[in-house]
Amino acid sequence: QSVLTQPPSASGTPGQRVTISCSGSSSNIGSNTVNWYQQLPGTAPKLLIYSNNQRPSGVPDRFSGSKSGTSASLAISGLQSEDEADYYCAAWDDSLNGHVVFGGGTKLTVL
Amino acid sequence: EVQLVQSGAEVKKPGESLKISCKGSGYSFTSYWIGWVRQMPGKGLEWMGIIYPGDSDTRYSPSFQGQVTISADKSISTAYLQWSSLKASDTAMYYCARRGGDSSSYGMDVWGQGTTVTVSS
Repeated sequence: QSVLTQPPSASGTPGQRVTISCSGSSSNIGSNTVNWYQQLPGTAPKLLIYSNNQRPSGVPDRFSGSKSGTSASLAISGLQSEDEADYYCAAWDDSLNGHVVFGGGTKLTVL
Repeated sequence: EVQLVQSGAEVKKPGESLKISCKGSGYSFTSYWIGWVRQMPGKGLEWMGIIYPGDSDTRYSPSFQGQVTISADKSISTAYLQWSSLKASDTAMYYCARRGGDSSSYGMDVWGQGTTVTVSS
C-alpha cells in the first residue's frame, strides 16, 4: 500500500487530454512539493515535473503539473502514442525523520 | 554529459552479501545527493534512502532502515548499496538517481540504468 494514492490505470486517445491524480496527506503533499516521473517500458524512470509544476529542460509543454492542498495532478494534453508509460508521483514526507514517498503508479494506455 | 553508471546484474543465494555500485560522471559528485530506488518485479517505485557524498550524510526510508547500507567513496565518485544477508524478497531492479538540488523539490533528475538483483537458492 503506497503512501500516495494514484489510480492504477488511465487511458485516452491520441490528441486527448488526460489527467492523473495523486492524493496524499498533510505530512507529505500538504507540506511539500510534488514531483512526477515517467517510466517507459523497460527503461529507468525520468523526471517529468518537479516542484509541483516545473518542467526540466527537454520535457514538452504538453506535460503540466498542479497541486492543491493534499492532492496533485499531472495533465497530459495532445496525447501521443509515445506517452504510453507508467507515471509516478513523489513527495517528501516529514514523518519519521523524513523520507520520500511514491505513489503506486498509473499505467497510461493510449488507445 | 552527466550520467550515472551502475554495476551489472547479480545473481546471489539467500544469506549471501552484496554491494552494488553507481558511478557518477560529468558533474561535481560531492555536491549532489544520490538516492536509491527499488522496483520489485511488476511493481512500483520505492525510495530506499539517500546519501550526500560530500560528507556521507545518509538518510533511510523507515522501510529500509537496518535492511541495507548506503555509502559513498567520493574519491572515485561512486555510491554503493549493500546487503549483509540477502533474502529472496530482495529480488528487484535497483536504481540510483541524483537529486537535482539541495532539497527534494528538485526531484531526481539523473538516473542510472538500473541493476537487477536476483536472489534464489
